[in-house]
Formats: sequence, C-alpha cells, structure tokens
Amino acid sequence: QKEVEQDPGPLSVPEGAIVSLNCTYSNSAFQYFMWYRQYSRKGPELLMYTYSSGNKEDGRFTAQVDKSSKYISLFIRDSQPSDSATYLCAMSASGGSYIPTFGRGTSLIVHP
Amino acid sequence: GAVVSQHPSRVICKSGTSVKIECRSLDFQATTMFWYRQFPKKSLMLMATSNEGSKATYEQGVEKDKFLINHASLTLSTLTVTSAHPEDSSFYICSARDWTSGIPQEQFFGPGTRLTVL
Repeated sequence: QKEVEQDPGPLSVPEGAIVSLNCTYSNSAFQYFMWYRQYSRKGPELLMYTYSSGNKEDGRFTAQVDKSSKYISLFIRDSQPSDSATYLCAMSASGGSYIPTFGRGTSLIVHP
Repeated sequence: GAVVSQHPSRVICKSGTSVKIECRSLDFQATTMFWYRQFPKKSLMLMATSNEGSKATYEQGVEKDKFLINHASLTLSTLTVTSAHPEDSSFYICSARDWTSGIPQEQFFGPGTRLTVL
C-alpha cells in the first residue's frame, strides 16, 4: 500500500460546480497537509496548508483533514475554467526535515 | 512570494551526452533544495536533497553517479544527468525551501525541465 493514495482522474465538471478532491494516507505520523496546484508543464504551487485535523478556508477553496479516517479533502466552490489543473496532495510528519510525501495528483477539467 | 527559476525549460539531447540543469532561488536564500522527477500521471518522485556546501542526500534507488548534484551557493543548485539514455527522459523539477516563510514544509517549485534523450 502506498503511503498516499490519490485518484488521478481526470475529473471533468461544468463551470460553477463544487469540486471535491481527496487523498487517503496510511502513515499516522503525518500532521502537516498541503494541496498543490500544477498547471500543465509548470511546477507545483502551494494552494492550501493545514496542520492536524480540521477545516481551513481560503476564498473558494476549503481544505479538510480527518486524521481519524486518514482522509483529506480539497473543495473548490464555484469552479472556473482557470481551475483546470492537476491537484497534488502532500503531507509530512513533524520534526526532522519535513520532506513531504506527494500523491500522484488528480487532473481536474472545468469546462465552460 | 518566493520565486524559483529553472534552466533550461526544455532540452533534447543524444544518448550518451551529459545534461546540466540549473535551479536558482531568485529572491531568497535556499539552504536546502530538492530535485524531483515526475512521470506522466505519476507522483513527484524525490531524487535527492541538496544542502548548500555539503554533499547531496540521495533517495534509495537513485544513482548518485548518474545524477550529480551540486549546491555551491545559497541560490544555485545544479543537476547533471551524466551519459543520458532514453530512459532518463522525464520532467525534472527542483524546489527550494525558504525557512523564513513560516511554513517549514513549504517548498517553492521551479517550472521544471523537460528532458528528452534520443
């Protein structure tokens, strides 16, 4: 079993839809959870960052962490064509080098 | 925000040649840089961690003699793919950590280098 599982998609939704992206993980030591967005032929950029369990909201984006289920989610409200990208979850344990483990990414397509 | 550049963005070379990829942090000092490899629809695979002024730490299965990493200054790390072969064709991405960002886990990624070995 991989440490971080993420469905690669693609996930195709109409503009304005609510998007739900998810990752599961197996390492209970993970405490830091991140979502990166990667446009085609570009490097990833940090979108959301959360520590431990709970929700975090930033504009149209909400990150949710459920440590009991080892499950994290990213919700995008009122999705736009410009949100079309690959979304990678990443997570790391505390201490040490904080090097994150990445999911394989979910390709999202928002069509007008 | 912190900016990381990578050069070249794309390179095509013949089998057996060596290719050097540069990674620069433009507006911050990066004591630690990372080199990743990314295959289509696959996760980022960490190849090595590069610390300024010391030898890189390679992940298991990554040949250090094949992928030479040098981190000579606080703003520059280089990856040299030696004697490249078609199986080395991939998307190589560097990232850098800005310890002043307040988020120790945050890495700022470069735009990537597409390597094609013929």
